Amino acid sequence: QKEVEQDPGPLSVPEGAIVSLNCTYSNSAFQYFMWYRQYSRKGPELLMYTYSSGNKEDGRFTAQVDKSSKYISLFIRDSQPSDSATYLCATRRGNFGNEKLTFGTGTRLTIIP
Amino acid sequence: SAVISQKPSRDICQRGTSLTIQCQVDSQVTMMFWYRQQPGQSLTLIATANQGSEATYESGFVIDKFPISRPNLTFSTLTVSNMSPEDSSIYLCSVEGTRQETQYFGPGTRLLVL
Repeated sequence: QKEVEQDPGPLSVPEGAIVSLNCTYSNSAFQYFMWYRQYSRKGPELLMYTYSSGNKEDGRFTAQVDKSSKYISLFIRDSQPSDSATYLCATRRGNFGNEKLTFGTGTRLTIIP
Repeated sequence: SAVISQKPSRDICQRGTSLTIQCQVDSQVTMMFWYRQQPGQSLTLIATANQGSEATYESGFVIDKFPISRPNLTFSTLTVSNMSPEDSSIYLCSVEGTRQETQYFGPGTRLLVL
């Protein structure tokens, strides 16, 4: 079983819709959770990061973590064509410099104008 | 966030040859990481490189195949040695952010081995 599971999609939604992207993880030691956005032929770009359970909002983006169910979500409101990208969830156990990130496989999202 | 550049951005190589990928950061960083991203798979950490010490490799990756140099706090190289088609992938350099729980990535090097 992979430590982080993510539906690879592809996911296509009309412009203006609310997008929900999700990951599940198996290791209860994970404490830090990130979402990266990766445009085609580019490196991953850090979008959101959260610590432990709860919600974090940044503009049109909301990251949600439910540690009881080991579930990570990213919501995009008022989706735009520029949001079309692959979204990667990532987790990390601790706040140590050599702690590695564990990634999901990424969900390819297309926003249809 | 740090600005990270990689060279080359892409390359096509012959089986059995080696390619060295360069990673340059615009600020001094302690930790640098090298990842591999294969189609349909998660980003996989190859190794962690600290300046002044030998790189630490993840399970499944060995120094003979992926030698890494870290001569200073702004630069690192990853060599993919004796390449085979299975090495075709995107190779990404990453650095630790100002908040230790974050990492920032370079644009990647797209490698195709024939």
